[in-house]
Amino acid sequence: GDSVTQMEGPVTLSEEAFLTINCTYTATGYPSLFWYVQYPGEGLQLLLKATKADDKGSNKGFEATYRKETTSFHLEKGSVQVSDSAVYFCALSPPPNYGGATNKLIFGTGTLLAVQP
Amino acid sequence: GAGVSQSPRYKVAKRGQDVALRCDPISGHVSLFWYQQALGQGPEFLTYFQNEAQLDKSGLPSDRFFAERPEGSVSTLKIQRTQQEDSAVYLCASGIRAGNTIYFGEGSWLTVV
Repeated sequence: GDSVTQMEGPVTLSEEAFLTINCTYTATGYPSLFWYVQYPGEGLQLLLKATKADDKGSNKGFEATYRKETTSFHLEKGSVQVSDSAVYFCALSPPPNYGGATNKLIFGTGTLLAVQP
Repeated sequence: GAGVSQSPRYKVAKRGQDVALRCDPISGHVSLFWYQQALGQGPEFLTYFQNEAQLDKSGLPSDRFFAERPEGSVSTLKIQRTQQEDSAVYLCASGIRAGNTIYFGEGSWLTVV
C-alpha cells in the first residue's frame, strides 16, 4: 500500500544553519505531496504542497520539490530560526481514482526539529 | 472561532468506558476527516465525510469505533468499551470541498487507564 518514510529525529541545528529533512514515498499513480508542521501546543498546519512531478512547493522560506524519478519530496530551508522548532510531517494524498476518499492523507512518522540559538 | 474546534481537549477514561469526541468544522466546509495519532507517530486516517455522508470508514480500527455527522456540520467520534490501545490524540480536519486543502483542529487527547 501507499506509504511515506521520513528521516528520524530529532534534528538539532544551530540558528542560521541549513536544513534538510528527507522524505520518500511509495504510491500508485501520481499522488499529491505535502509537508505539515506541528508547533508545540498547536494543531497540524499545512506548510507547503506539490501536486505534480517537478513542482516546487514553498512557504516561509521552506521548499520541497516533487521528484518522481526518486520518489522523494525533501524539505529544505537555507537558514533556520529558533521559531522553526517543531515536528514536521511529510504526507501524500493518493489520486482520487486510486485512493478512495479525496484528500485522504497518509503521513510519515514525523521529524522533530530543534533549533538552538 | 474561525478554525476547527474539538472537545474535550483532554479526556481520561477508565478501560471499558464509552467516550464521545466532538468536532466543530469550519463553517461551510463540506469535507470532514478524523485521524488517530499515537504517541510518536504520524496521524492515521480513520474516516471521511462529505456533508452528512460517510464515504470512507476504512480506517476505523474496530466496530467499537463509530462516527457520525447527521446534519453535515458537527461530527462526533464515539469509542465504545475503550481499551488502553485507544489512547491517542484524535484529530479532526475539514475542507471547503473535496480536493481542497484541509485544516486540522488541535485534537482531543484520550488516555485510557
